[in-house]
Amino acid sequence: QVHLVQSGAAVKKPGASVRVSCKVSGYTLSKLSMHWVRQAPGKGLEWMGGFDPEDGETIYAQKFQGRVTMTEDTSTDTAYLELSSLRSEDTAVFYCATGIYYRDNSGYPRGYFDYWGQGTLVSVSS
Amino acid sequence: QSALTQPASVSGSPGQSITISCTGTSSDAGTFMYVSWYQHHPGKAPKVMIYDVSTRPSGVSNRFSGSKSGNTASLTISGLQAEDEAVYYCSSYTGRSTLIFGGGTKLTVL
Repeated sequence: QVHLVQSGAAVKKPGASVRVSCKVSGYTLSKLSMHWVRQAPGKGLEWMGGFDPEDGETIYAQKFQGRVTMTEDTSTDTAYLELSSLRSEDTAVFYCATGIYYRDNSGYPRGYFDYWGQGTLVSVSS
Repeated sequence: QSALTQPASVSGSPGQSITISCTGTSSDAGTFMYVSWYQHHPGKAPKVMIYDVSTRPSGVSNRFSGSKSGNTASLTISGLQAEDEAVYYCSSYTGRSTLIFGGGTKLTVL
């Protein structure tokens, strides 16, 4: 059983960076496809990016490219999300999520998230 | 540009059935092939209810079912219960390996 535990809430000023961690237990991070999803207050779920094990690359949503970095420390089974140049609109709950990811016979990605972290609230305010 | 469009809200009385639609628009023919549905209660992590359009994960009630016709996927909940009240999101990978979520549908159990 995979268990994901995220770091605690953070308060940041505009322009700063934030790093959120996601500790994996019950499985090995290197064998997982870890993704990050956020939800701003009153808004829906928004995928930020994730690891594509088929290509061995991290894919970022176009909206966040240049501001987001997702890394993994396999020695501690901890994934990290770093978001820079924060603005008030980045105030949100950030989730790490993992589950099934693979390509079909045509090479098309498919999968879903069946394990989620508890969420980390990041507040951006001056 | 890919997008998944859901109604903002639906409602139903206990015992009734409701259906939430998710319409895909994309220039990528592969997008929307494998739709998943998530249930999200406030303050909790989302939970997958359906994947690959119509497959129910182990442990999910058989009151939840999924289907797709053309460019519209649907989540049907039968025998509505109070605990079904939540926000439901459809999602799908695109051909560029990015993931998109629908805007979410708030289900109110009257």
